[in-house]
Amino acid sequence: DGGITQSPKYLFRKEGQNVTLSCEQNLNHDAMYWYRQDPGQGLRLIYYSQIVNDFQKGDIAEGYSVSREKKESFPLTVTSAQKNPTAFYLCASSSLYEQFFGPGTRLTVL
Amino acid sequence: DAKTTQPPSMDCAEGRAANLPCNHSTISGNEYVYWYRQIHSQGPQYIIHGLKNNETNEMASLIITEDRKSSTLILPHATLRDTAVYYCIVRVASYNFNKFYFGSGTKLNVKP
Repeated sequence: DGGITQSPKYLFRKEGQNVTLSCEQNLNHDAMYWYRQDPGQGLRLIYYSQIVNDFQKGDIAEGYSVSREKKESFPLTVTSAQKNPTAFYLCASSSLYEQFFGPGTRLTVL
Repeated sequence: DAKTTQPPSMDCAEGRAANLPCNHSTISGNEYVYWYRQIHSQGPQYIIHGLKNNETNEMASLIITEDRKSSTLILPHATLRDTAVYYCIVRVASYNFNKFYFGSGTKLNVKP
């Protein structure tokens, strides 16, 4: 099956710890994205990558970091500098005409 | 900055058409309108997109006004499974790369 996988589905961490969210796609897309969604809100862009070894900050990049060493993978690290990291995180990739989303990771910081 | 404005919620009776409006008054000539929907705690799913002509597929129809400042997504015969949050999105393309600007969405409640 072609698609995007995110793991884990639920993640719990203590305050002050860095945590890395996984995102893998087998759609052969160059472009990949990370979004954050808070309860009752729309999606806000954290980082995006147009191609391997290149990425740009989105609208709310502070406290997050990414890497893009392989076309298939775009992991997101939520650092201790992120003041309110508890949220639903969505990874996506896009062809020229459509954006495809993973199932999401719900991060809760205790 | 949000490029789209949608009502926060709408109700629709099962079997009737659901008409979801969206305003995108600042849209540029080469920016597409997309619609996605999100069922609780899942990733958004693509529904339909268009530039300036009306579009129809097996899921829905998209009506874009002639001035392109607003659009309407039509679900012709809503079912209970269509209960979801519907996002109207503007896609900005540059150098073979797309940025998708999500609004806050409309929660559609389909009632029996």
